[in-house]
Amino acid sequence: DAGVTQSPTHLIKTRGQHVTLRCSPISGHKSVSWYQQVLGQGPQFIFQYYEKEERGRGNFPDRFSARQFPNYSSELNVNALLLGDSALYLCASSFSGTDSHEQYFGPGTRLTVT
Amino acid sequence: QQQVKQSPQSLIVQKGGISIINCAYENTAFDYFPWYQQFPGKGPALLIAIRPDVSEKKEGRFTISFNKSAKQFSLHIMDSQPGDSATYFCAASTGNQFYFGTGTSLTVIP
Repeated sequence: DAGVTQSPTHLIKTRGQHVTLRCSPISGHKSVSWYQQVLGQGPQFIFQYYEKEERGRGNFPDRFSARQFPNYSSELNVNALLLGDSALYLCASSFSGTDSHEQYFGPGTRLTVT
Repeated sequence: QQQVKQSPQSLIVQKGGISIINCAYENTAFDYFPWYQQFPGKGPALLIAIRPDVSEKKEGRFTISFNKSAKQFSLHIMDSQPGDSATYFCAASTGNQFYFGTGTSLTVIP
């Protein structure tokens, strides 16, 4: 079975630009969560989507937005990029969006903002 | 505010030894406590997880000990191997929203 997939693998952007990251969950999983992992830190929760609805949002500015599609894949959008947005962006999928359940991570997208 | 506090930040263990990583939390609404292993350049991989109605869970060389009253849980890696060298993260979840510790870099010396 395919695990969580993310694209692109790496991305270099300039300050002020916009970026879109994509995620496909494990087949049968309906919940997708996004995390930001700065080097040397643990993943920080950004968003959770379940059944195409936002179920949770972490302490991130409105420049960050996301959505989930009918096939349960998801996009994370970041506007007006700052140098501090440079990080590994992780997507995780799980079966449930309401009860705590096993969550599986993708390989991540490494975003570098110059 | 860090919802889950993890220690130590780094750990060096001899091959065959026991690696112990500790985590503490405050939010009693947390109902699921997983541990993840992460290698450089990779996403975190789920190792083992426990729910608060159980005090211990063992899977192979990995054991979680859970102390509900103290709001603490720990990961024990028995017979540590060089291949276990990685960063380990504890996490806690409520409503399927996860909060991670800051990570422990484990080095197992041959």
